[in-house]
Amino acid sequence: EAGVVQSPRYKIIEKKQPVAFWCNPISGHNTLYWYRQNLGQGPELLIRYENEEAVDDSQLPKDRFSAERLKGVDSTLKIQPAELGDSAVYLCASSLGDQPQHFGDGTRLSIL
Amino acid sequence: KQEVTQIPAALSVPEGENLVLNCSFTDSAIYNLQWFRQDPGKGLTSLLLIQSSQREQTSGRLNASLDKSSGRSTLYIAASQPGDSATYLCAVFNSGGSNYKLTFGKGTLLTVNP
Repeated sequence: EAGVVQSPRYKIIEKKQPVAFWCNPISGHNTLYWYRQNLGQGPELLIRYENEEAVDDSQLPKDRFSAERLKGVDSTLKIQPAELGDSAVYLCASSLGDQPQHFGDGTRLSIL
Repeated sequence: KQEVTQIPAALSVPEGENLVLNCSFTDSAIYNLQWFRQDPGKGLTSLLLIQSSQREQTSGRLNASLDKSSGRSTLYIAASQPGDSATYLCAVFNSGGSNYKLTFGKGTLLTVNP
């Protein structure tokens, strides 16, 4: 069984540029999560999807962050414009309902 | 708001030593608790999951305990090996209403020296 796949693995951009991350969850998993992990910290939830519906986006900075999960499978997370403080690892996870979450390897974002 | 604290922040031990990692949480109304391992540049790998009704779980050299009423969990690693070197994260899962998420601690960075 393939795990959660994220791309790209690394991204370096200048501040004020846009950036997007992509996540392909485990087949059949209806719940998808995006987390941000700052250096030396645990992951923090940004948004949770149940199928194609964002059911918890309370921690998503909506002025610059957006996400979508068309057709309830793959998901993209976008930042526009990026700021220096957005440098972090962005992790995607998926699960079947409230069953344990499976994590991808993440996208490491560096803002210059 | 759920808060998770892990102690110590870092631990260095010689190979073969038994060790204990600690986790505490402020809201005891949890659904389950998980211990994860994170290698540098990698995502999280689930090690053990303890349901709120359980007291402990074991997998190989790992044993995790849960005392829900006091808001504490421990991860015991027996006969540590250099390959155990990683960051260990504790996370609690709250389910119901708006509290449907994993809340993580900051992790314990473990180094096992040959």
